[in-house]
Amino acid sequence: QKEVEQNSGPLSVPEGAIASLNCTYSDRVSQSFFWYRQYSGKSPELIMSIYSNGDKEDGRFTAQLNKASQYVSLLIRDSQPSDSATYLCAVNAGGTSYGKLTFGQGTILTVHP
Amino acid sequence: DTGVSQDPRHKITKRGQNVTFRCDPISEHNRLYWYRQTLGQGPEFLTYFQNEAQLEKSRLLSDRFSAERPKGSFSTLEIQRTEQGDSAMYLCASSLLGDTYEQYFGPGTRLTVT
Repeated sequence: QKEVEQNSGPLSVPEGAIASLNCTYSDRVSQSFFWYRQYSGKSPELIMSIYSNGDKEDGRFTAQLNKASQYVSLLIRDSQPSDSATYLCAVNAGGTSYGKLTFGQGTILTVHP
Repeated sequence: DTGVSQDPRHKITKRGQNVTFRCDPISEHNRLYWYRQTLGQGPEFLTYFQNEAQLEKSRLLSDRFSAERPKGSFSTLEIQRTEQGDSAMYLCASSLLGDTYEQYFGPGTRLTVT
């Protein structure tokens, strides 16, 4: 079992729709969770971080965390073609490795006009 | 620009050659991380430093790889006797030591081993 799992997609949504991206993780002691956006040929860009159960909203983005289910999600409202990218879920390792990020393989999102 | 910088941005080398990459973190960040990313995969952790101390190195990392951060500022990653399987994007990130450990990535160094 991979430590961080994402559906690789591609996920295709029409412009203006809500895109829902999901991630599960295996290490129960994980404390911090991040979503990165990566455009083709570029490096990952941090867009959301979440540390407590529940929802966290930032503009059109909402991150959701459920530690009991070991599940993190990212919702993108009013999706735009410029949101087309790969979205990486990252989990901060717990215990003595706190600080190191473990990434999922990423979900490719395409927003079509 | 006060973001993470990496040099060079691209490197083409022949198999068996040594290469060295440099990373300059965000100035006040005391943690520095190296990751490697291949096509279609998420970044894979290689090693990280807190100030000048190397705190962890991936078990997957060959002895051909070595990293330093001698003065707790910039870092170098050296790959000796490169192999074609070393071809990847090498990413550097930095963070503050604190509650969140939000990591910010540099633009990466793309290595091609021919």
